[in-house]
Amino acid sequence: QQPVQSPQAVILREGEDAVINCSSSKALYSVHWYRQKHGEAPVFLMILLKGGEQKGHEKISASFNEKKQQSSLYLTASQLSYSGTYFCGTAGYYGQNFVFGPGTRLSVLP
Amino acid sequence: DAGITQSPRHKVTETGTPVTLRCHQTENHRYMYWYRQDPGHGLRLIHYSYGVKDTDKGEVSDGYSVSRSKTEDFLLTLESATSSQTSVYFCAVLDRVGTEAFFGQGTRLTVV
Repeated sequence: QQPVQSPQAVILREGEDAVINCSSSKALYSVHWYRQKHGEAPVFLMILLKGGEQKGHEKISASFNEKKQQSSLYLTASQLSYSGTYFCGTAGYYGQNFVFGPGTRLSVLP
Repeated sequence: DAGITQSPRHKVTETGTPVTLRCHQTENHRYMYWYRQDPGHGLRLIHYSYGVKDTDKGEVSDGYSVSRSKTEDFLLTLESATSSQTSVYFCAVLDRVGTEAFFGQGTRLTVV
């Protein structure tokens, strides 16, 4: 029932790009993306809604393929501050059963 | 910030003892969630609530119970703690339009 994420981990140099993928076995109404830094709580990045609406971060983009039940998070020109673990999450229409993937650890090196 | 407070922030307890973790919010959000976080597993949903006295099980609910007698408080109880329940526990709330979740700072629970 948890979404599946790939890759599990990625290491980048500053300025490089990365893509994190999320897929689910069930039909999705929306996909959330969160970032968690070590020792801290997860923080909201963006949400993608069925129908194409997107809300969130200015410098990070994402896509949502409703038919394939997949979402991808695009991190372009990575900054050191992008380091952390990224989680995708899915919930029912009203917010029920809000579950997250296992996470992707991103390390950005100088 | 949804004004979420978790208590306690750290707790060490013995196997077999009951433990209750509290999540308090100040914004009257309807949906509240309890997760546990373990290396390699990400955030796993234990229980969630969609209103006072309205709760449902998540994916790892065995050994846990919850209660919500007031909108602002969501309690997670380990009836008889086991070492496998050693984890970091996060509470979260979903905003009114269902587009953003806010997390508490977490409770680190160690069962010895």
